[in-house]
Amino acid sequence: QQQVKQSPQSLIVQKGGISIINCAYENTAFDYFPWYQQFPGKGPALLIAIRPDVSEKKEGRFTISFNKSAKQFSLHIMDSQPGDSATYFCAASGAQGGSEKLVFGKGMKLTVNP
Amino acid sequence: DGGITQSPKYLFRKEGQNVTLSCEQNLNHDAMYWYRQDPGQGLRLIYYSQIVNDFQKGDIAEGYSVSREKKESFPLTVTSAQKNPTAFYLCASSRTSGPIAKNIQYFGAGTRLSVL
Repeated sequence: QQQVKQSPQSLIVQKGGISIINCAYENTAFDYFPWYQQFPGKGPALLIAIRPDVSEKKEGRFTISFNKSAKQFSLHIMDSQPGDSATYFCAASGAQGGSEKLVFGKGMKLTVNP
Repeated sequence: DGGITQSPKYLFRKEGQNVTLSCEQNLNHDAMYWYRQDPGQGLRLIYYSQIVNDFQKGDIAEGYSVSREKKESFPLTVTSAQKNPTAFYLCASSRTSGPIAKNIQYFGAGTRLSVL
């Protein structure tokens, strides 16, 4: 059972455009929602994260929007740059069986054309 | 530099062979994790450990084994029972306390395992 569903699987945008990645979760016990960025051949790195007590968080060109009632959250990348080309994973965590584990979406490959 | 070191970067396994992937961290984190990454599959949890000398199975533990004898080290053995071992393996670590810090996982650069 996939607890975090991510879409689309891939996205191609032009430089300067807006990239939007959507995620939906099922477990209402989740209380932390990070986004990770991964470049080819590297490990993922934390990009930005949000807790469900806020509806939006912005860090530079990256914004998370969170809809608790719909159990959905999304990442918006404004003014997308070729250097943003990477795979993006949403994730969720919360107490599960007494431990805090991250559950990842399947990832989205973003290509930003110059 | 603080971080997580995985070695080797590339590893080849022969049929029937066990291989061990190394993961070392100097972040003083209590928790460590092993993930397997396949194209289009995201990150799937193999094993995790929240304290020395203790570890739990993740979602896909069959064919793998781990040990946690030291806080800094969490090696993963891919046994011959794992019939499809070709994948990118990622090690991560995190704190186990603090309202936010405990959720943040830091990843190594990964080991790519292939079958000969």
